[in-house]
Amino acid sequence: KQEVTQIPAALSVPEGENLVLNCSFTDSAIYNLQWFRQDPGKGLTSLLLIQSSQREQTSGRLNASLDKSSGRSTLYIAASQPGDSATYLCAVYGGATNKLIFGTGTLLAVQP
Amino acid sequence: EPEVTQTPSHQVTQMGQEVILRCVPISNHLYFYWYRQILGQKVEFLVSFYNNEISEKSEIFDDQFSVERPDGSNFTLKIRSTKLEDSAMYFCASSANDVLTQYFGPGTRLLVL
Repeated sequence: KQEVTQIPAALSVPEGENLVLNCSFTDSAIYNLQWFRQDPGKGLTSLLLIQSSQREQTSGRLNASLDKSSGRSTLYIAASQPGDSATYLCAVYGGATNKLIFGTGTLLAVQP
Repeated sequence: EPEVTQTPSHQVTQMGQEVILRCVPISNHLYFYWYRQILGQKVEFLVSFYNNEISEKSEIFDDQFSVERPDGSNFTLKIRSTKLEDSAMYFCASSANDVLTQYFGPGTRLLVL
């Protein structure tokens, strides 16, 4: 059974710092991995999707990497801003199942 | 930019009542999903829907739950007899195909009293 874990559970950084969020999954037989942002009480905003054949994806200040063999993904946020404060979720889509399996999330606070 | 919409944004109901949560997926998408998030917990998969039938459902999705695409644009989740533990945020999502990005709606917050 696929399990997705994210560390740290919470992170507080000063504005301008570069940071890395981690996601690990137990079953490497995935089709893709998706990173989301969730603001308090709100929906999920898709940030990046990495297909299983890809190693990384970039969008603006965000860079996500995927190492399928080791069951890990990282989300790198460059030059963090207070507006980046949110919960970041990773989710994997496995070939055997038609669903996203979510991690526990990392609550990020960027201090001005 | 196209987006998934959901109505209502909030719903309060009495235990045992039926509720219908509505979603309008992105228009050219073919795969539809419902997920839920109980306060403070992970987002959990409920059901996926393709070609007018359920393609997968979780153990949460029991006989009290049903989904329907009644008119080619709406996608609904019905809970026949709500329980206190059904209180959660319910998210609808859609994707163009099963390995591409799933786009999520803003959610419906359901409170069962």
